[in-house]
Amino acid sequence: DAKTTQPNSMESNEEEPVHLPCNHSTISGTDYIHWYRQLPSQGPEYVIHGLTSNVNNRMASLAIAEDRKSSTLILHRATLRDAAVYYCILRVSSNDYKLSFGAGTTVTVRA
Amino acid sequence: NAGVTQTPKFQVLKTGQSMTLQCAQDMNHEYMSWYRQDPGMGLRLIHYSVGAGITDQGEVPNGYNVSRSTTEDFPLRLLSAAPSQTSVYFCASSYSGTSGAHNEQFFGPGTRLTVL
Repeated sequence: DAKTTQPNSMESNEEEPVHLPCNHSTISGTDYIHWYRQLPSQGPEYVIHGLTSNVNNRMASLAIAEDRKSSTLILHRATLRDAAVYYCILRVSSNDYKLSFGAGTTVTVRA
Repeated sequence: NAGVTQTPKFQVLKTGQSMTLQCAQDMNHEYMSWYRQDPGMGLRLIHYSVGAGITDQGEVPNGYNVSRSTTEDFPLRLLSAAPSQTSVYFCASSYSGTSGAHNEQFFGPGTRLTVL
């Protein structure tokens, strides 16, 4: 299975953008890139996903490299509520519902 | 909608005791699953179900049983609790139409279980 690599932690100031990198050099052509986050003492929540094109939603943007070997989750204006562990997950098939969580990136937001 | 609900929120068991963690969703989702999360680690899949009457094992199924008699409920049974099962347990559900597994998964608030 293709794996992802994320930094252990990142810090940001409130109201500033946060760029969270994810490397997936062994990604296959049919792997989707999903992002989930887990706020302290809560269950994970979906953030965004994409295949090849950049994606935007109300929570974040996902920028996918042209060769798809890396991607970046962008939080445009970090708030204290965005402090969480962010997980980058590859999904192989539309029939495979299993989510493989790694250690993720712990994001700290300074007021 | 209440979303995904889990009960109890906290539970302490003695080694060898059995119990059932409850999970319910009111979104008519076909897919449901159970994960455990040990301190400082990511989630690991225990069991999952793609619909009523259908269950399958995940990454760490030993010591746990599941059944899915209705679309709404997916209980997780600990047969004989062990200290190694001390963890936080999360239930999740997802709609399986159109985008299939690429649909958003909704997670419950978790059950914190301690086995002494």
